[in-house]
Amino acid sequence: GQNIDQPTEMTATEGAIVQINCTYQTSGFNGLFWYQQHAGEAPTFLSYNVLDGLEEKGRFSSFLSRSKGYSYLLLKELQMKDSASYLCAVRVYGGSQGNLIFGKGTKLSVKP
Amino acid sequence: DAGVTQSPTHLIKTRGQHVTLRCSPISGHKSVSWYQQVLGQGPQFIFQYYEKEERGRGNFPDRFSARQFPNYSSELNVNALLLGDSALYLCASSLVPVGILQGSDTQYFGPGTRLTVL
Repeated sequence: GQNIDQPTEMTATEGAIVQINCTYQTSGFNGLFWYQQHAGEAPTFLSYNVLDGLEEKGRFSSFLSRSKGYSYLLLKELQMKDSASYLCAVRVYGGSQGNLIFGKGTKLSVKP
Repeated sequence: DAGVTQSPTHLIKTRGQHVTLRCSPISGHKSVSWYQQVLGQGPQFIFQYYEKEERGRGNFPDRFSARQFPNYSSELNVNALLLGDSALYLCASSLVPVGILQGSDTQYFGPGTRLTVL
C-alpha cells in the first residue's frame, strides 16, 4: 500500500531553523511535493523534488533521497506567518488513489 | 487570472440530507480532483475527472458522486449525510490528470467548502 509519515506537531522559535521530515513507502514514485496550509485554507505549493538532492527556494529548501524513501523541508529564518501545517505529498504513476498521496501534515507553531 | 473557485464557502446540513458542492477550475485546466480533509488530517482523494470522464475514485462509499461539465467545472454530490462527512472539501485543478503531469506541474487547490453535518 501507499504510506506517508510525518510528525504531527512541531514547535520552533522565530528566527530559528526547523526541519520537517517525511518518510514514504509508495509504488510508482513520480515526484514529491511539499504544501503549506494555513488553518481553514487551501494547500499552496511550496516545493518539488524528483531527483535526489537539495532544492532551494528562498527561505525554504527541500531534500529528497529516493533510496531511503525520505524527504525533509527546511525552513530558515522562521517568521510568525510560517505557523501552518506542512503537507508532504507523493505523486505516483497509475495509482488508484488519485496519483497524489498526502501525509497527515505537520502542524508547525512558531513562537516569539 | 482567477484561481480555482468553490461554492459555497460554508455549509451546515443535518444527517440524512443531500449536498452539492461546486468547483470552477483555473482557465485552461481540464482536470478536476476532489479531496476530503478531516480536521488534523491530510487531504483524502475522492474523485478525479478529465474531459468529463471519471479518471479515478478513492475509497469512498457510493453516497459520493461527481460529474464534470463541458466547461470543465465540476460538482460533488453527497447523499444521506453522516456526521462523519463533516470536513473541508477541496477541489483542485490541473492541465491534465495528475498521473501524467510531469516535472513540477501540480494541482492547484481552491479555498474549499467547509461542510458541517449536525
